[in-house]
Amino acid sequence: DAGVIQSPRHEVTEMGQEVTLRCKPISGHDYLFWYRQTMMRGLELLIYFNNNVPIDDSGMPEDRFSAKMPNASFSTLKIQPSEPRDSAVYFCASSRTSGFSSSYNEQFFGPGTRLTVL
Amino acid sequence: GQQVMQIPQYQHVQEGEDFTTYCNSSTTLSNIQWYKQRPGGHPVFLIQLVKSGEVKKQKRLTFQFGEAKKNSSLHITATQTTDVGTYFCAGKPGSNYKLTFGKGTLLTVNP
Repeated sequence: DAGVIQSPRHEVTEMGQEVTLRCKPISGHDYLFWYRQTMMRGLELLIYFNNNVPIDDSGMPEDRFSAKMPNASFSTLKIQPSEPRDSAVYFCASSRTSGFSSSYNEQFFGPGTRLTVL
Repeated sequence: GQQVMQIPQYQHVQEGEDFTTYCNSSTTLSNIQWYKQRPGGHPVFLIQLVKSGEVKKQKRLTFQFGEAKKNSSLHITATQTTDVGTYFCAGKPGSNYKLTFGKGTLLTVNP
């Protein structure tokens, strides 16, 4: 299995520009998560999907951020307009529902997209 | 909201010394997971603990889940340079799939 795939790996853009980050989860996984990692705030959950439906977007910083999952094999995180404070590493992760009540749900992380907004 | 605190923030050891990181949640957890992130890499799952008082071992790594299911620890015996990285705990409060990550402990090992 190829694992979780993210693109681009690095993105440098100017303030005000639109940024689109892409993620392909592991085939067969029904949960997809978007995280942001910074030194100051650590690893923060932005939003997660179950079977392509957004379940919890309470971590999305503001209206400039939006995420979609049009099908089981693709998701995007869009920032419009971007600001310098959005500079971070953005991770996508996927997991598979467990059949047990303990909900064993190891998350598999992609390599991340390092975003720099100038 | 739920908070997961992790200490220490940094730990530097000599190779061969032991290392422990501690995790505390503001709420009772249904389970807790541990991840390791190498410098420049992404978090990689290590283990999940579910039962109160549970102890699991992976070679030199020992993971514990507190009796009240609000705290956990990771202990590494006789550290090696390959243990370098940031260790995160991540708590799951209930039946949803949302994990709250601690800030992590960065371990550096002097050979």
